[in-house]
Amino acid sequence: KAGVTQTPRYLIKTRGQQVTLSCSPISGHRSVSWYQQTPGQGLQFLFEYFSETQRNKGNFPGRFSGRQFSNSRSEMNVSTLELGDSALYLCASGSDTDTQYFGPGTRLTVL
Amino acid sequence: AQSVTQLDSQVPVFEEAPVELRCNYSSSVSVYLFWYVQYPNQGLQLLLKYLSGSTLVESINGFEAEFNKSQTSFHLRKPSVHISDTAEYFCAVARGTSYGKLTFGQGTILTVHP
Repeated sequence: KAGVTQTPRYLIKTRGQQVTLSCSPISGHRSVSWYQQTPGQGLQFLFEYFSETQRNKGNFPGRFSGRQFSNSRSEMNVSTLELGDSALYLCASGSDTDTQYFGPGTRLTVL
Repeated sequence: AQSVTQLDSQVPVFEEAPVELRCNYSSSVSVYLFWYVQYPNQGLQLLLKYLSGSTLVESINGFEAEFNKSQTSFHLRKPSVHISDTAEYFCAVARGTSYGKLTFGQGTILTVHP
């Protein structure tokens, strides 16, 4: 089985712009979660989608949003980018009865 | 809410020495426990997990961890490390059946010296 894929792998944006990140889960997985990883805050949970519905949400501002499509692929959007949004964004998928498997991440740099 | 504390931010060891990476958690409900490893510029790879059953769990590359409910710990051990084990290790918990929402510790950087 192919693993979790994320596109793009690297992204450079400027403050005020918006960005969309994409995640394709492992085939058959219906749960997709997103995490933000920064040196200062570590790994923080953003949100989880299951069967196109947001099931859990972390403590991030409304500028961070996501969605899941019928094929389980997920996108994450960040609007009005701030310097502090620079991070590695990780997507993980799971079968909902067991472990989460992570993708390689998208490195976002906000200038 | 649950939380995870990794007691050491950095652990330097020599090759072939034993190592223990410590993890303590707090939660008012039952949890599931995981160790993930992250190599530079990569995502997280699952190392091992405790969901239920035997409290001692093992990975295919020689790591093991023991779930201790009374001490709320899930320490990771390896009897003999290799240079290739150099990486950052993260302990994580999921509450109940919410596997899709992991709470992570701050990570422990393991550096294996020749």
